[in-house]
Amino acid sequence: GQNIDQPTEMTATEGAIVQINCTYQTSGFNGLFWYQQHAGEAPTFLSYNVLDGLEEKGRFSSFLSRSKGYSYLLLKELQMKDSASYLCAVRSDSGGYNKLIFGAGTRLAVHP
Amino acid sequence: KAGVTQTPRYLIKTRGQQVTLSCSPISGHRSVSWYQQTPGQGLQFLFEYFSETQRNKGNFPGRFSGRQFSNSRSEMNVSTLELGDSALYLCASSLGSGATEAFFGQGTRLTVV
Repeated sequence: GQNIDQPTEMTATEGAIVQINCTYQTSGFNGLFWYQQHAGEAPTFLSYNVLDGLEEKGRFSSFLSRSKGYSYLLLKELQMKDSASYLCAVRSDSGGYNKLIFGAGTRLAVHP
Repeated sequence: KAGVTQTPRYLIKTRGQQVTLSCSPISGHRSVSWYQQTPGQGLQFLFEYFSETQRNKGNFPGRFSGRQFSNSRSEMNVSTLELGDSALYLCASSLGSGATEAFFGQGTRLTVV
């Protein structure tokens, strides 16, 4: 079956670093996405990994280990506006065509 | 360029009714995917359309259906609404299902009473 796990909630302090983990078990793995979603808004794209390793984009970095079925999103120099839900999504091509399978999301609260 | 547009933004329907939601993708994007988002379940994949053809379907009952037009605009329809269909319905557009980025619309908040 397809399964994606990530913590339900996390809290962190402004200016700190936080790591949000995501583990997955899917067939036909074809890439992993991270999205940010503020309450009442649409998810916005943060990062995409298909090869093992670290992708860095400003304050955000994402890591992937395909052999371990594991990814993390690293947020540095946290700001209050980073309080949001972070969604891990795996693209699976089982069945012939790609589809995104989402985890339930991690709600991050950044406090002063 | 314009983003993904979903209409309407909010909708209240009664059990047993049917509803049609619309999604206009980014110009040039041919793939449109639909998702249902509820607090307990997260985003659940409904279906994906590409060039007017449904290529992929999630585990939802037949009451959920969709279609895509030649201009890539897509509609989804839910018939015989149930209370449990209350959710945020999101569509995402991309160049194709193998794209490295998908852009979401603001969603339609459906409430079934």
